[in-house]
Amino acid sequence: SQELEQSPQSLIVQEGKNLTINCTSSKTLYGLYWYKQKYGEGLIFLMMLQKGGEEKSHEKITAKLDEKKQQSSLHITASQPSHAGIYLCGADMNDYKLSFGAGTTVTVRA
Amino acid sequence: GAVVSQHPSWVICKSGTSVKIECRSLDFQATTMFWYRQFPKQSLMLMATSNEGSKATYEQGVEKDKFLINHASLTLSTLTVTSAHPEDSSFYICSATLGVRSQPQHFGDGTRLSIL
Repeated sequence: SQELEQSPQSLIVQEGKNLTINCTSSKTLYGLYWYKQKYGEGLIFLMMLQKGGEEKSHEKITAKLDEKKQQSSLHITASQPSHAGIYLCGADMNDYKLSFGAGTTVTVRA
Repeated sequence: GAVVSQHPSWVICKSGTSVKIECRSLDFQATTMFWYRQFPKQSLMLMATSNEGSKATYEQGVEKDKFLINHASLTLSTLTVTSAHPEDSSFYICSATLGVRSQPQHFGDGTRLSIL
């Protein structure tokens, strides 16, 4: 069963528009990690959240973890073609291993 | 920093062949490495956890005799797919970590394995 639900499965956004991806766990997490993957390539680490209510930003990407540490969102402001790819959330369920969501495929249209 | 190199990036071989994939942490010592398998348009599935100097821990349903893992040093882990068959064709990807909770896993670029 999927312990980590990621939504949407895919989205298409116009260049310059904002987008949000959500990741929800059925259990309280020790940590939540966001990665980006281009199809057939490795994962690029984006951000790690470990504290309830934590929010981190890097360039135009902001990630948040709710107070209960069960839900996270990744928000991209003013999307660019370079933001296209597959975004994966990975959850540490307190056993050092990561369980990944199904991924969100982002397409940015010029 | 935190670069993980995976080799080869792509391999095609005949059924029955054994294939070795290497995962190296280039600029840090990885006490723990993980091996994942990814099917087309699906997420990563953890196969095993590899700790330096000890036997790998395999996830349920993963055959340890089929997928041999060796983690002989703090910078190198290998995955050997023994007697590979077409159903073993997949994208295999490794990650490495310091083993400290405050540090994330860093991933290699993956290996696409095609068994004919």
